[in-house]
Amino acid sequence: AQKITQTQPGMFVQEKEAVTLDCTYDTSDPSYGLFWYKQPSSGEMIFLIYQGSYDQQNATEGRYSLNFQKARKSANLVISASQLGDSAMYFCAMRVTNSGYALNFGKGTSLLVTP
Amino acid sequence: DTAVSQTPKYLVTQMGNDKSIKCEQNLGHDTMYWYKQDSKKFLKIMFSYNNKELIINETVPNRFSPKSPDKAHLNLHINSLELGDSAVYFCASSQVGGAFFGQGTRLTVV
Repeated sequence: AQKITQTQPGMFVQEKEAVTLDCTYDTSDPSYGLFWYKQPSSGEMIFLIYQGSYDQQNATEGRYSLNFQKARKSANLVISASQLGDSAMYFCAMRVTNSGYALNFGKGTSLLVTP
Repeated sequence: DTAVSQTPKYLVTQMGNDKSIKCEQNLGHDTMYWYKQDSKKFLKIMFSYNNKELIINETVPNRFSPKSPDKAHLNLHINSLELGDSAVYFCASSQVGGAFFGQGTRLTVV
């Protein structure tokens, strides 16, 4: 079975600082993808970043980067230069290629950016 | 030109009614999903379709029936609604490398 664990229910960060949101996963399948989503209070699910298990380099998208450590089975999201608008729930998800295409989600981390 | 659009955004209905939520994607993706987000924000897969074929049917009451008339559409029909069905329902579509969600439908059963 595939499992995603986010151990930080809530995080605080000051504006303009960097923050790391933790995510560990468990799968025995060699082919998988890892995703991060942002869910602001308005409720929509915003796709942030994707990392494939065979990708050699860590994914980056603007201020978001994914710190992929395959041996440790971790896929932490790093947000640089936090902004007030980054306050939201953040979800880590995994899709295993041979498991019917579903994304399995972690329980989420609530991030609050303070002035 | 929203990539994944689902309607309605809000749905308030009485117990015992039947309701449908519609979803359409214009991304050309092969795979579409329905997810349920409970009051604790946990997202759980309900159904997954690939090229109109049902791939995943999680432990969901058979009052929930997905229908995919074509690759771009995946609708969710719910019969005999119960109080416990109240949640936010998300449609999503994906290809390798990205999965995109609709805006969600907040279903409230009274």
